[in-house]
Amino acid sequence: DVKVTQSSRYLVKRTGEKVFLECVQDMDHENMFWYRQDPGLGLRLIYFSYDVKMKEKGDIPEGYSVSREKKERFSLILESASTNQTSMYLCASSFSGHEAFFGQGTRLTVV
Amino acid sequence: AQSVAQPEDQVNVAEGNPLTVKCTYSVSGNPYLFWYVQYPNRGLQFLLKYITGDNLVKGSYGFEAEFNKSQTSFHLKKPSALVSDSALYFCAVIPLDGSGNTGKLIFGQGTTLQVKP
Repeated sequence: DVKVTQSSRYLVKRTGEKVFLECVQDMDHENMFWYRQDPGLGLRLIYFSYDVKMKEKGDIPEGYSVSREKKERFSLILESASTNQTSMYLCASSFSGHEAFFGQGTRLTVV
Repeated sequence: AQSVAQPEDQVNVAEGNPLTVKCTYSVSGNPYLFWYVQYPNRGLQFLLKYITGDNLVKGSYGFEAEFNKSQTSFHLKKPSALVSDSALYFCAVIPLDGSGNTGKLIFGQGTTLQVKP
């Protein structure tokens, strides 16, 4: 079975902290994604990576950056966490043109 | 801008009745289309997809979806709803650029399906 693993299920951070969310997939997928999920807003794409070191901004990249140094790992970085970044963060991976597989999500609370 | 719309925040049906969850899209070309389901406190699970071919595609748990190119819609359907189908449903698309698919997956805002006994 495809496995997408996010490093934390729950995370509480202080305003202004630098936050790292890690995601690892084991299926050699070229594509990896970071979304945030908020009630009534669905899944909004933050960043998308289609290869190692390659990235593309999604709909809401402001306040976020990403890193993909290895094919299996895609990191989301909140440079200076703010309370409006409190959300559920979902990582996913896929082969191009195929369905994506999702991790369990990280619920981040910024206080 | 490329987008996916799910016009209903919530759909309520009685168990045993047919259900439809609506999805329309606005992207260039012929996109790949998907439905996902999210049960409470669970990750998203893939239900079905349309790439090409027959406009009616069948997926997991008895769900099916109908692709309508002229209406740019991809509605999710099930002939007989179960209480256990109650969940949050997302429609998604992969737009195609000039060289083929991009892999970039765009989601709608989700529809909560409530099936009552």
